[in-house]
Amino acid sequence: SQQGEEDPQALSIQEGENATMNCSYKTSINNLQWYRQNSGRGLVHLILIRSNEREKHSGRLRVTLDTSKKSSSLLITASRAADTASYFCATVLGGATNKLIFGTGTLLAVQP
Amino acid sequence: GAVVSQHPSWVICKSGTSVKIECRSLDFQATTMFWYRQFPKQSLMLMATSNEGSKATYEQGVEKDKFLINHASLTLSTLTVTSAHPEDSSFYICSALPDSGRNSPLHFGNGTRLTVT
Repeated sequence: SQQGEEDPQALSIQEGENATMNCSYKTSINNLQWYRQNSGRGLVHLILIRSNEREKHSGRLRVTLDTSKKSSSLLITASRAADTASYFCATVLGGATNKLIFGTGTLLAVQP
Repeated sequence: GAVVSQHPSWVICKSGTSVKIECRSLDFQATTMFWYRQFPKQSLMLMATSNEGSKATYEQGVEKDKFLINHASLTLSTLTVTSAHPEDSSFYICSALPDSGRNSPLHFGNGTRLTVT
């Protein structure tokens, strides 16, 4: 089952522009993570934000988390053609589980 | 660090045969590993949680007799697709949770593309 839905499903921008992807989820979480997947490959972890954190930065990436709205956003600033990939949010549910449940994903295309 | 090796990268097999996929954590221990399945242009669907030394926990709708999971050591989990059929063709990805704690990110293998003819 999917825990999260991402919006938009696909996004095409020009190099240098910022890209924002949103993720909404359904149940309480321990943490929320963002991953990147190049076509047909494994996943690369980008950022983990805990349920008691509101914002986190890593290089050109900025992640926010609003637990009251059950939503998160990923901002990629000054995008590059190499940022072209699918981006997924994933949540570790509250309680004793360690399971990571993925959202539907956003396909980002950065045009050179 | 934190590398997960998944083997093979791709496999083509005939209907009715079984295929084994290996997932190894190379430089860390992982009591818990996860197996996901991904159809083209879709997200990852969790199939099962693999726990070292105990039975795997399968998600609803996943046939445990079809997808056999063995987690015999702290660094190796295997997924065997038994009596494979064309509808089992998919991209299978494993991930490992470092024993350092549940607020650690998962580390993913590069996936196995299975094609059943």
